[in-house]
Amino acid sequence: GIQVEQSPPDLILQEGANSTLRCNFSDSVNNLQWFHQNPWGQLINLFYIPSGTKQNGRLSATTVATERYSLLYISSSQTTDSGVYFCAVLLVSGSARQLTFGSGTQLTVLP
Amino acid sequence: DAGITQSPRHKVTETGTPVTLRCHQTENHRYMYWYRQDPGHGLRLIHYSYGVKDTDKGEVSDGYSVSRSKTEDFLLTLESATSSQTSVYFCAISRDNSYEQYFGPGTRLTVT
Repeated sequence: GIQVEQSPPDLILQEGANSTLRCNFSDSVNNLQWFHQNPWGQLINLFYIPSGTKQNGRLSATTVATERYSLLYISSSQTTDSGVYFCAVLLVSGSARQLTFGSGTQLTVLP
Repeated sequence: DAGITQSPRHKVTETGTPVTLRCHQTENHRYMYWYRQDPGHGLRLIHYSYGVKDTDKGEVSDGYSVSRSKTEDFLLTLESATSSQTSVYFCAISRDNSYEQYFGPGTRLTVT
């Protein structure tokens, strides 16, 4: 099956710093999503980005499908950005839909 | 908010007992999914459904069954719970005009 690798596994930042999270995947995919899992366990949709660049406030994401990677940028980090960031890739075949997750990046933002 | 609720939110059960988790959606989307999340892993797909009575297996389906008799409800059943099924279970939907998935709040299941 498809492999999804995220790096770094852990990241500790001072409030106000910028960061880049990376997601590599092993095969062509139909789509890619970024999620933030907050400390209460809730999964929050950040980006739905099969290719190109999107921005939402302090966050932006870029997916280069031909090179099989995606980047999530967090600027001016805040303590509320803490949590786990997951990348997930989607394969579609007929009625079948398989979303495969990476192992996540644990982000801690210190005040 | 994709209008997804899960019940129960927490459950403790004993090995060998049957357990059913419920996922309910308010928007009548065709696709629904069940995932489990364990420490050190992202979420892994158990089963999914693409319509009433239409279901298929995911990556980690052994020991689980599902049913969907109404569009709005997707049930996950552990016929005989084992300690290895202790996990957090998430339900998700995807809207009919998009592949993007939205997740419910999760159910924490402990099998003792």
